Amino acid sequence: GQQVMQIPQYQHVQEGEDFTTYCNSSTTLSNIQWYKQRPGGHPVFLIQLVKSGEVKKQKRLTFQFGEAKKNSSLHITATQTTDVGTYFCAPGGGNKLTFGTGTQLKVEL
Amino acid sequence: NAGVTQTPKFQVLKTGQSMTLQCAQDMNHEYMSWYRQDPGMGLRLIHYSVGAGITDQGEVPNGYNVSRSTTEDFPLRLLSAAPSQTSVYFCASSLQQGRGQPQHFGDGTRLSIL
Repeated sequence: GQQVMQIPQYQHVQEGEDFTTYCNSSTTLSNIQWYKQRPGGHPVFLIQLVKSGEVKKQKRLTFQFGEAKKNSSLHITATQTTDVGTYFCAPGGGNKLTFGTGTQLKVEL
Repeated sequence: NAGVTQTPKFQVLKTGQSMTLQCAQDMNHEYMSWYRQDPGMGLRLIHYSVGAGITDQGEVPNGYNVSRSTTEDFPLRLLSAAPSQTSVYFCASSLQQGRGQPQHFGDGTRLSIL
């Protein structure tokens, strides 16, 4: 599986602030998936990006795939307490699906 | 559909004991995999299978065995449990791997080795 570095490891924000997590690879990725894991729960698929420079939106979440397909980001606008959890990226392609180390988001009122 | 079902949800073992973590899916998915999750380590791939009768090693396979005799089931066996295997174990499945299919995860098995 392909290796990626995910930053930051932790992020605390006040409710209403924006949040961004980054996923970086030293090699070109065929596609990338993003997952969310709530505390005590299991990872849940959010989205997949395939094309160079692709941008997809899900309500307050914006996902981007870099032009060189070596990095990706997830941006949350105006965070809410329901956004709490750990966000993982997972580079696709091949039979081994590996995950980044995740970014743990905490949202304070 | 029940999705991906893992049993048991919790288990405590003594060092040296063996046990099998069960995973079953009812979505006719070809691809199944096992991950372990430790604090600060993310999800690490243990073993995976691209179809019945085919298994392969992931990132951290030592101390674990798997088999895939049917499409539905993918059990994970700990041969001789060690404290380092204390973790949360997740089973996942997808229609096919390598084609960008989303992974569906079970609720996990929380395993403690004393």
